[in-house]
Amino acid sequence: DVKVTQSSRYLVKRTGEKVFLECVQDMDHENMFWYRQDPGLGLRLIYFSYDVKMKEKGDIPEGYSVSREKKERFSLILESASTNQTSMYLCASNDRVKDTQYFGPGTRLTVL
Amino acid sequence: AQRVTQPEKLLSVFKGAPVELKCNYSYSGSPELFWYVQYSRQRLQLLLRHISRESIKGFTADLNKGETSFHLKKPFAQEEDSAMYYCALRANTDKLIFGTGTRLQVFP
Repeated sequence: DVKVTQSSRYLVKRTGEKVFLECVQDMDHENMFWYRQDPGLGLRLIYFSYDVKMKEKGDIPEGYSVSREKKERFSLILESASTNQTSMYLCASNDRVKDTQYFGPGTRLTVL
Repeated sequence: AQRVTQPEKLLSVFKGAPVELKCNYSYSGSPELFWYVQYSRQRLQLLLRHISRESIKGFTADLNKGETSFHLKKPFAQEEDSAMYYCALRANTDKLIFGTGTRLQVFP
């Protein structure tokens, strides 16, 4: 069974703090993704990575950066958290053979 | 531009009624379409993909290229179908473009 885990289910941070969201997958998938999920807006792609040290901007990369030093781990970084980054963050990895994205449980981030 | 439109934010039906969740897409090439579902307190997961032409949990979806639609249908809704449903489009990359989602509520 594919496992995608995220480091925290709930996180509360203050404006201006640096925030790290970690995602780990155990299926040796090359592609990994970070989305944010907001009511009425659906899932929006922040960044994705198609290999170690490779990354590409998604639709809403402003205010975020990512790191992929190892194949199994994809980190999302909020350099200076702002209140408009309060959201649910979902990580996913992609099985190309099954043509399926597997999602983590999500991290609900609140920025005060 | 590549886009997925789900016009309904909320769809409410009674148990046993037919269900149709609408999805329209905008893409000039040959798209791959998917439906993902998120049940309460569970993670988002794949429900079905158009290329498989399969029925999952009684749901089917047919790709209509003329109408650029991929509506999700089920003849008789069950309470356990209550969930958030997302339609997604994959163009010629591994990225998915998601719609804004439709919440299905099935009342007893």
